[in-house]
Amino acid sequence: EVQLVESGGGLVQPGGSLRLSCAASGFTFRSYCMNWVRQAPGKGLEWISYISNSEIIINYADSVKGRFTISRDNAKNSLYLQMNSLRAEDTAVYYCARRDCRRGNCQFDIWGQGTLVTVSS
Amino acid sequence: DIQLTQSPSFLSASVGDRVTITCRASQDISTSLAWYQQKPGKAPNLLIYAASTLQSGVPSSFSGSGSGTEFTLTISSLQPEDFATYYCQQLNSFPYTFGQGTKLEIK
Repeated sequence: EVQLVESGGGLVQPGGSLRLSCAASGFTFRSYCMNWVRQAPGKGLEWISYISNSEIIINYADSVKGRFTISRDNAKNSLYLQMNSLRAEDTAVYYCARRDCRRGNCQFDIWGQGTLVTVSS
Repeated sequence: DIQLTQSPSFLSASVGDRVTITCRASQDISTSLAWYQQKPGKAPNLLIYAASTLQSGVPSSFSGSGSGTEFTLTISSLQPEDFATYYCQQLNSFPYTFGQGTKLEIK
């Protein structure tokens, strides 16, 4: 079964750090570009980061640039998000999502179940 | 950045109704648009990609159309399981923005 499973969420104080992980299974992880998307409580979806399959291309939303770092380990079929200098507004459910591209069009076809990050003192 | 504006933000409809949700992009994105359905407490689920291609396993009651800056998602006959929130997303360029969402509620 094609699956993504996030872990690492929890309660952290403002200014603190947290590392999220996303374990992939059921597909050739190294062949796919990956993303992190978050959703604040009661709000919409926000794309926050992208990493290409070979890690050559990395992109961030302005809201997390300079504070968050995306990475991957293709040998371990895993995606990561290192989150530093956390703020209350980073409180959200964080999803990892696989990007699939077909005939020049791309989409997020597989999503994890999400992991909740709460930033509060 | 490319902005996506969905309308309406809220939609009240009945089982069996035909409904249409619109997504407008702030600049030409060709057909680089996807639609997702999200139910409370669940991850988004891909419905449509490349503006009009139905994802495998998605009921044929869902359809998408459009190109350039204006796109629509249509549900031809609402079923009870279709009441959810719907998002469009552009994948033409970074940042990969989402629309603000359309919450479809039972009338």
